Amino acid sequence: DAKTTQPNSMESNEEEPVHLPCNHSTISGTDYIHWYRQLPSQGPEYVIHGLTSNVNNRMASLAIAEDRKSSTLILHRATLRDAAVYYCILRPWDNYGQNFVFGPGTRLSVLP
Amino acid sequence: ETGVTQTPRHLVMGMTNKKSLKCEQHLGHNAMYWYKQSAKKPLELMFVYSLEERVENNSVPSRFSPECPNSSHLFLHLHTLQPEDSALYLCASSQEWTGTYEQYFGPGTRLTVT
Repeated sequence: DAKTTQPNSMESNEEEPVHLPCNHSTISGTDYIHWYRQLPSQGPEYVIHGLTSNVNNRMASLAIAEDRKSSTLILHRATLRDAAVYYCILRPWDNYGQNFVFGPGTRLSVLP
Repeated sequence: ETGVTQTPRHLVMGMTNKKSLKCEQHLGHNAMYWYKQSAKKPLELMFVYSLEERVENNSVPSRFSPECPNSSHLFLHLHTLQPEDSALYLCASSQEWTGTYEQYFGPGTRLTVT
């Protein structure tokens, strides 16, 4: 499985934008980039995913590098409720034999 | 609310007990998953079901036995567990079992084996 690398932790101030990076230098052409987050004492929550183009939804934006070897999850205005562990995961569209491989993720702290 | 429910939310069991965890999804999805999350460790995929057929079994000990009677329900039967099996057990579902689709997770069952 292709692997991802994320910083262990990041800090942000409330109401400021947050850019969470993810490196995936061994990504293949069929890999989707997925982002999930896990709040304390809860199951993971889907945030966003994309293949090649940048994606936006009500929660966040996903910026994908042109060579697809890295991506950035953008939270436009961090709130205290955004404090969580954020996971960047690769998953091929032709899934057979592949799994969701979760790494340790990035622990985001949001300061009031 | 993600549309995936799990019961019970907390479970304490002895090493000789038999218990079952239940997961139900109300999303019309075709794939369901069991994950294990131990303290200080990343999520580990245990089992994957697609259209009620098991498609992945990640070297999970036989004391964990999954069952998928239909595409909306998933069970994890537990027997003669060990203390190291204490963990958060998470259920998830997705439209299909491919990376094209996102997964939706339940709140988990916190299991303690004494």
